Amino acid sequence: GIQVEQSPPDLILQEGANSTLRCNFSDSVNNLQWFHQNPWGQLINLFYIPSGTKQNGRLSATTVATERYSLLYISSSQTTDSGVYFCAVPNILTGGGNKLTFGTGTQLKVEL
Amino acid sequence: DSGVTQTPKHLITATGQRVTLRCSPRSGDLSVYWYQQSLDQGLQFLIQYYNGEERAKGNILERFSAQQFPDLHSELNLSSLELGDSALYFCASSVDPGQVNYGYTFGSGTRLTVV
Repeated sequence: GIQVEQSPPDLILQEGANSTLRCNFSDSVNNLQWFHQNPWGQLINLFYIPSGTKQNGRLSATTVATERYSLLYISSSQTTDSGVYFCAVPNILTGGGNKLTFGTGTQLKVEL
Repeated sequence: DSGVTQTPKHLITATGQRVTLRCSPRSGDLSVYWYQQSLDQGLQFLIQYYNGEERAKGNILERFSAQQFPDLHSELNLSSLELGDSALYFCASSVDPGQVNYGYTFGSGTRLTVV
C-alpha cells in the first residue's frame, strides 16, 4: 500500500515563528488532507488539497501531486497551534472499499 | 462541530467487559469508517461501512465488530476488553470517495480506558 512520511517528526517553535511541515507519499494520489490533532485528542480537518495551494488564515498548504509531496505552512505561530499535524491520503482497497492512510505525524510545540 | 457525532466522549470500563461506541455520520454521507489510535500510535484503520454494508476491513480484532444501521449511524462493539484496548476511537464519514474526490470528516472521538 501507499506509504506516507512526514518531516520533521518533532518541532519546537517560539511564538511568532514560521514553520513548514512536509508530507511525502509513495504513489500518485487524487486527494490529500491535512489534520491537526490538538492536545485534547480532537482531530481537526485543516485542508482538503488534492493539488495547488489553499490558505486559511495563518495556515496555508500546497500539494504538488506530480512530485508526490505536500507542504503545510504555519505563520506567526501561536501556542494554540501546538499538537500533532497529520497528512493523509486515500487508499483504494480491493473489493471497492477505501481508507485514509495517515502519515507519521509532526509533533509541534509552540512556546512563549 | 464537524457534523460527525460520536458518543460517549469518555468511557472507563474493566477488563473482560463489553462496550458499544456510537457514531452518527455527517448528513448526506453514506460511508462510515472506524479508526483506533493507541497511546503514541498513529491512526489505524479498523473497518468501513457503506450504505449499510461492510466494504473494507483493516486491523480489526475478532473481539471487535461493527455495523451500520438503515439510518446510517454505526456502532462499534468491543468485547472481552483488555488493557491494551485503551485508546481513542474515531469515526469518520464521507460521501463515498471510492470513485470521486471527497474528503473524510472525523468525529471528536471516544476515549476508552480499560482498567
